[in-house]
Amino acid sequence: QKEVEQNSGPLSVPEGAIASLNCTYSDRGSQSFFWYRQYSGKSPELIMSIYSNGDKEDGRFTAQLNKASQYVSLLIRDSQPSDSATYLCAVKSNYQLIWGAGTKLIIKP
Amino acid sequence: NAGVTQTPKFQVLKTGQSMTLQCAQDMNHNSMYWYRQDPGMGLRLIYYSASEGTTDKGEVPNGYNVSRLNKREFSLRLESAAPSQTSVYFCASIMDTMNTEAFFGQGTRLTVV
Repeated sequence: QKEVEQNSGPLSVPEGAIASLNCTYSDRGSQSFFWYRQYSGKSPELIMSIYSNGDKEDGRFTAQLNKASQYVSLLIRDSQPSDSATYLCAVKSNYQLIWGAGTKLIIKP
Repeated sequence: NAGVTQTPKFQVLKTGQSMTLQCAQDMNHNSMYWYRQDPGMGLRLIYYSASEGTTDKGEVPNGYNVSRLNKREFSLRLESAAPSQTSVYFCASIMDTMNTEAFFGQGTRLTVV
């Protein structure tokens, strides 16, 4: 059974600080990794994708991938109250997306 | 562009009733998916259709059937609803199985009493 694990949280971070979200996966053959954001009562939306080891930056968001450790993370700099949401990690495995259960992030003003 | 349109948004069923959830996408995507989302369990794949004319079971297919009516539309049917099927259902589409950015419908909140 291929799995994607995330800490369910909630993770509480002060406004303006860095939020760090983590995800581990079991399928060593996975090649594509995604972070989705889901606001309460809404559908998930893609915020970052990463395919190779290292860091990928997009505005305030940085995705980090370490395939040897089977670990992917998302850093959010200068956290804003609007970043409060559940963040879902998804891993592509055999043409399907395997989803983590999500980490609830709360940004405190 | 509407993207992925899913109906209805809310539904209450009695145990044993049947219903069909509709999903349509206007992005010319090949692959379409039905997920259910329960608290603390993330998105679980019910059925998917990699391309028009094909459907396959996902992780939790029992109690559901699907139809890929054409390239745009992918419906999910509950033949005899059970309380265990109370959940939020999402339809998603992806251009093809090599490209995995998923676009989601707005979700259907289903309650079976």
